[in-house]
Parts: sequence; structure tokens; C-alpha cells
Amino acid sequence: EVQLVESGGGLVQPGGSLRLSCVASGFTFANYWMTWVRQAPGKGLEWVANSNHDGSEKGYVDSLKGRFTISRDNAKNSLYLQMNSLRAEDTAMYYCARGGEAFSECAYWGQGTLVTVSS
Amino acid sequence: QTVVTQEPSLTVSPGGTVTLTCASSTGAVTSSYHANWFQQKPGQPPRALIYSTTNKHSWTPARISGSLLGGKAALTLSGVQPEDEAEFYCLLWYGGAWVFGGGTKLTVL
Repeated sequence: EVQLVESGGGLVQPGGSLRLSCVASGFTFANYWMTWVRQAPGKGLEWVANSNHDGSEKGYVDSLKGRFTISRDNAKNSLYLQMNSLRAEDTAMYYCARGGEAFSECAYWGQGTLVTVSS
Repeated sequence: QTVVTQEPSLTVSPGGTVTLTCASSTGAVTSSYHANWFQQKPGQPPRALIYSTTNKHSWTPARISGSLLGGKAALTLSGVQPEDEAEFYCLLWYGGAWVFGGGTKLTVL
């Protein structure tokens, strides 16, 4: 069974940093694209970033380039999202998702970790 | 800035058929956009339904299908059931990044 467990969320002050983690199990992590998606309270989904199998290809939403960095450690079956210079508008549930077949971007989802940016 | 547009809300009667659409601000949606569709119920993460325009996941009910319709990606639900009431999102590929639509709230009434 595919399992994705996010962690690292919490309350952070504006301008601060946070690193989210996603630990995967139930499949061969190194074989799949992985993605971060976020959802502000009461709002829609926003695609944030993805990484190919070995981290050599990464994509980002234009609005977050330079502040957020996606990475992965295949030896630890883990995906990460480094978030810097956080703003109130970054407050959201952050989901980790696994790809599936070709152009199946988010076939499996974790339960999410909540990030709140507030003073 | 690329914008993906969905109907904000739709209402369908139980047993009926409804089609949700997904448009791109860049022009007609084609198979090259590899539309994905997701269903999300309150308090839950999204669940994938369709990928690459028409392909179903192993768990996708047979009564749900994806297509291209009039320059848009489309998701059709047939024989709608009360449990289909949810928010539905499309996701389009723009060659290096993906963009979600704003979502369609589907009410079964």
C-alpha cells in the first residue's frame, strides 16, 4: 500500500523558514516523480513543485521560484520542501503526492501538513 | 500568468449526467496538456480520477470519464450518486510546470 506521510509543518513567523518532509513507503520511491501541492484554508489547490526520479529535473510554479526548493533523498525514501522568506499567504496545507503512469501527476496523496505563517 | 478556468459550481440530480470543463487562458486545450482530474471531499486530501485526458486509475468508477470537448478538457459523471458531491479540480501541463484550475463545486440535489 502506497503511503505518504508529511511532517514539519507548524507556526512560523513572517520571514522565517521551514523544511517540510514526506516519507514514502509501499513502493520503490526512486522510480517515481514526486510533487508538492498546497491548499490555503478554504481555497483551491495550487501546484507548487515536482522532482523527477533522481532529482535532476525539477519544476516550480513561477510565483515561488527562488523562495521554495524541492529535493529528495532516495536512500531515505524522502521528499523535502525548503521554504524561505515565508509570508502570510504561504499559510496552507501542504500535500506530498506521487506520480503514476506517464503524465499522471499526483496519483497518490498524503494527508498533508499544515503551515501557518503568523506573528 | 496562465489561468485555468472551471465552472465555479454545478448542480445535478441523482442518477443524472453532468459534464465539468477545464479551459486554458493560452487557448484550446489539447491532448498535449495531459489533463488530470481530481475529486476532493471536505477534510480529505484530493483523490486522482483521470490522467492524460482520458485515462482512468484502477480505482476510478466506470461511470466517470475524461475527454476533450470544444477546446476544453472535460470530466463527465454519469449515473451521479449522492456521494459524488465534492469539489473537482483539473490540472494541466504547461511544459515544465502544472497548473490547477480553480475547482468546481458539484452539488447533488
